[in-house]
Amino acid sequence: GAGVSQTPSNKVTEKGKYVELRCDPISGHTALYWYRQSLGQGPEFLIYFQGTGAADDSGLPNDRFFAVRPEGSVSTLKIQRTERGDSAVYLCASSTGANTGELFFGEGSRLTVL
Amino acid sequence: GENVEQHPSTLSVQEGDSAVIKCTYSDSASNYFPWYKQELGKRPQLIIDIRSNVGEKKDQRIAVTLNKTAKHFSLHITETQPEDSAVYFCAALAGTASKLTFGTGTRLQVTL
Repeated sequence: GAGVSQTPSNKVTEKGKYVELRCDPISGHTALYWYRQSLGQGPEFLIYFQGTGAADDSGLPNDRFFAVRPEGSVSTLKIQRTERGDSAVYLCASSTGANTGELFFGEGSRLTVL
Repeated sequence: GENVEQHPSTLSVQEGDSAVIKCTYSDSASNYFPWYKQELGKRPQLIIDIRSNVGEKKDQRIAVTLNKTAKHFSLHITETQPEDSAVYFCAALAGTASKLTFGTGTRLQVTL
């Protein structure tokens, strides 16, 4: 596609539920990033993929968070047993490779946990 | 890891005036410093970036300066216009790292 696509754009769920957020990066971009942005804050790094493998998952807050990119393109961020503190905008970004410069962001998935 | 501090958190200027936003970073290995603009409810978009081998870069009304010794970099917007109103984020990338670390953002309001 022309840009990074994220679905759903909005997700409201109840505490304790499971959530999946999807990211479709720019075609040909090998690097894919997930960031989380809380209100009034900058994007906070969660995980980075180079190809199919998670090259750096140091930003995942705990083991309720997991992400996959099985074919090196689309990625899914999975959150188990959601908590109210997980409410945020989850941003996906892609680039042509690590350390190459510009990240192209999607519009984000706004998650609200009631 | 890298720590990026940004100030001010809010900035109000009159149309036509200049705006300056400043950031400091902690990791001396950082070598890439982009600035992103985020309008309300929209995605962050790159507006300008600078690498550590230069001290200044300019693109029309925006410019970025980098002081590697002091570990700080700044965004300068001249002749501000209402459409410049947005939240601006600085970021830093260490050469050995794979992720950008962002500042906390500056909300710029350009008033008529």
